[in-house]
Amino acid sequence: NAGVTQTPKFQVLKTGQSMTLQCAQDMNHNSMYWYRQDPGMGLRLIYYSASEGTTDKGEVPNGYNVSRLNKREFSLRLESAAPSQTSVYFCASSEQGRDTQYFGPGTRLTVL
Amino acid sequence: AQTVTQSQPEMSVQEAETVTLSCTYDTSENNYYLFWYKQPPSRQMILVIRQEAYKQQNATENRFSVNFQKAAKSFSLKISDSQLGDTAMYFCAFIDFQGAQKLVFGQGTRLTINP
Repeated sequence: NAGVTQTPKFQVLKTGQSMTLQCAQDMNHNSMYWYRQDPGMGLRLIYYSASEGTTDKGEVPNGYNVSRLNKREFSLRLESAAPSQTSVYFCASSEQGRDTQYFGPGTRLTVL
Repeated sequence: AQTVTQSQPEMSVQEAETVTLSCTYDTSENNYYLFWYKQPPSRQMILVIRQEAYKQQNATENRFSVNFQKAAKSFSLKISDSQLGDTAMYFCAFIDFQGAQKLVFGQGTRLTINP
């Protein structure tokens, strides 16, 4: 039982490049989330998926897209990376929307 | 909008001491959950403790306990017999049962346990 896994762990991009961050959970959870963490700040919600087939914007969605591929997987895509997107990205999941969220190990992304 | 405030950016105590981290929140909702998460240098976000707002009894988890004051909208974390492994960032977080049910985080408190 791996919990929540994320790939890659580290990534360096040039401005304008695109990439997809992958997230998977094996806890049969319905809800999944993407957060970003910037220095000196708590986590901020980018997008979430309350259930398979649904996605909604969070606090800071601009510049990102998401796909809930199936119940297990929830990906985050940066279409044209910008330096302002340099951050640590966390994926999380919960059984239902208001339940405890369990986090993946994070992806450190640097955009040059 | 719901907000979570942690007024102590950094704290430092000696090993085996007791330390209390403060958190206040703002909401008009009556039903919600509160959490403390720990983020050690490994960066992993680890759940420390959860409190349901409808429960009057304060949650405890081994050396970790909370002081939940619903009327004052205060949710502090007490760590007893602190250990070197408790060194981490600690985040207070809130989620309500209405609306989008989004987890809202405070800015964190950096706790250092000194030998």
